[in-house]
Amino acid sequence: EAGVTQFPSHSVIEKGQTVTLRCDPISGHDNLYWYRRVMGKEIKFLLHFVKESKQDESGMPNNRFLAERTGGTYSTLKVQPAELEDSGVYFCASSEQMNTEAFFGQGTRLTVV
Amino acid sequence: AQSVTQLDSQVPVFEEAPVELRCNYSSSVSVYLFWYVQYPNQGLQLLLKYLSGSTLVKGINGFEAEFNKSQTSFHLRKPSVHISDTAEYFCAVSLTYNFNKFYFGSGTKLNVKP
Repeated sequence: EAGVTQFPSHSVIEKGQTVTLRCDPISGHDNLYWYRRVMGKEIKFLLHFVKESKQDESGMPNNRFLAERTGGTYSTLKVQPAELEDSGVYFCASSEQMNTEAFFGQGTRLTVV
Repeated sequence: AQSVTQLDSQVPVFEEAPVELRCNYSSSVSVYLFWYVQYPNQGLQLLLKYLSGSTLVKGINGFEAEFNKSQTSFHLRKPSVHISDTAEYFCAVSLTYNFNKFYFGSGTKLNVKP
């Protein structure tokens, strides 16, 4: 069974451009989470979907970030326009239930230059 | 608010030596405790977790951790490390009503030398 898949694995964009990250959760997992790690610091929660609904988006840094999960399957995280401080590794995780183990993807390394 | 402190950013150790990775947390409410590992070019993998019960928790790959409520600690230990244990280790907590909303520490890079 495929795990959580994220792509691209790496992305280098210029400041002011738009980037869209994608996460495909494990099939059947209703819960999807986005996290990011900036500059080797701690990994921080961004938001949590239950199916297509945003359960908790308290970690979204500002309105330049837009997360969607149309149809309750894969999710996208768009950054528009990207700023230098958005550089980091963006992780996605999914779980079957809210209280069952979450499985993480390999992450997308975003570099804004 | 919840916070997790991993005091050691890097820990070098020789193969077959014991290792302890330290983790302290702060929370005004009950939490669950986790250790995750990230091997090079891979995602985060759950090593072990403490939810309740025995304070000594055994995980995969011979790792164990002990929950100490009075010291608000959850240190990770392994009696004898292997080269393959070279990775970055993350301590995390979550609230009991939101299992997978983690508050992570800044990570500890374990470098096992031959």
